[in-house]
Amino acid sequence: ELKVEQNPLFLSMQEGKNYTIYCNYSTTSDRLYWYRQDPGKSLESLFVLLSNGAVKQEGRLMASLDTKARLSTLHITAAVHDLSATYFCAVDMRGETGTASKLTFGTGTRLQVTL
Amino acid sequence: NAGVMQNPRHLVRRRGQEARLRCSPMKGHSHVYWYRQLPEEGLKFMVYLQKENIIDESGMPKERFSAEFPKEGPSILRIQQVVRGDSAAYFCASSIYRQAINSPLHFGNGTRLTVT
Repeated sequence: ELKVEQNPLFLSMQEGKNYTIYCNYSTTSDRLYWYRQDPGKSLESLFVLLSNGAVKQEGRLMASLDTKARLSTLHITAAVHDLSATYFCAVDMRGETGTASKLTFGTGTRLQVTL
Repeated sequence: NAGVMQNPRHLVRRRGQEARLRCSPMKGHSHVYWYRQLPEEGLKFMVYLQKENIIDESGMPKERFSAEFPKEGPSILRIQQVVRGDSAAYFCASSIYRQAINSPLHFGNGTRLTVT
């Protein structure tokens, strides 16, 4: 059974600081997604990582994937209050047809950026 | 292009009643996925459907839960004889065949079910 673990579970950081969220998964997969969720809201897609060594950046967020280590990171640079949310990584177990079959989500990291 | 539409947004049911959750996928999408999110947890896969077919229901509880995606109309997740433990947010997502590999799933706003 695929297990996806994130750490930390909760992160309080000051504006302007940098930090990294880690996502480890237990079986081979080359597709990993990062989502953001605000309280009471749906999930917003942030990044799609499809191969070993993939790195993507959007604003203050940068995500990377190391399939050999089964590790993805989400790096936050110079945090601002608007980044406060819960961040989930999700690993895709490819279905027999080659399409996405189902995602296994991590436990989530609740990020709180304080002034 | 409207996103994934779910209704109702909030649903309150007493123990023993039935809950029906609806999901209309994005236009042109023929694959629907249902996920459940318990408070303070990540989403858990429940079921994956194509039009008129259940592809993978490995995450569905064996009893009281059922899902369908008819040829016409929205996908329905039905929970019979609800219990307090069914209280959760239920999210629907959709994708296009063959595009799903390179695209993230697009999630609806969810239905928050409260069982009293």
